[in-house]
Amino acid sequence: DGGITQSPKYLFRKEGQNVTLSCEQNLNHDAMYWYRQDPGQGLRLIYYSQIVNDFQKGDIAEGYSVSREKKESFPLTVTSAQKNPTAFYLCASSIGLADTQYFGPGTRLTVL
Amino acid sequence: AQSVTQLGSHVSVSEGALVLLRCNYSSSVPPYLFWYVQYPNQGLQLLLKYTTGATLVKGINGFEAEFKKSETSFHLTKPSAHMSDAAEYFCAVSERSNYQLIWGAGTKLIIKP
Repeated sequence: DGGITQSPKYLFRKEGQNVTLSCEQNLNHDAMYWYRQDPGQGLRLIYYSQIVNDFQKGDIAEGYSVSREKKESFPLTVTSAQKNPTAFYLCASSIGLADTQYFGPGTRLTVL
Repeated sequence: AQSVTQLGSHVSVSEGALVLLRCNYSSSVPPYLFWYVQYPNQGLQLLLKYTTGATLVKGINGFEAEFKKSETSFHLTKPSAHMSDAAEYFCAVSERSNYQLIWGAGTKLIIKP
């Protein structure tokens, strides 16, 4: 079955710790994305990658970092510099930037 | 800058009644238009999209949406609501020159028995 997996589904961290969220896809998509979702708001783009070894900042990249060493994987690190990291994080992928985005199940991060 | 407005953070309808979820965008150039659905604590699933061609677009689960350029709208409808339609619905647009998706704030659809 092709799809996008995100792990873990729920994640708890202490304030000041970095944490890495996993996103893997087996759809052979070139483009991948990270979004943040907060209650009552639409999705906000954190980072996106059009191709391996390349990524671009989205609207709210401060306090986050990514890597794209493999086509299938696009991990997101939430650093201690992110002032309000508690949120629902969604990963998506598409064939290319102009194509429909498909979403993973999300990771809910809670910083205590 | 492009913006997307979804009228009503919550919409409540009775089972079997018409569902109408509103979406307006700000671009003067027809963008690409999308509706996604999100069930609690899950990712988003594409319902339907408009790129070019026929302005009435049919999607999954009996939903459809009509692109109206003159009204800069892309409202989502379903003739008869089902309990399983209870979810949050997001409208999104992207410019034809810049493919970044701009999202509405979402509308929670509540179905009354």
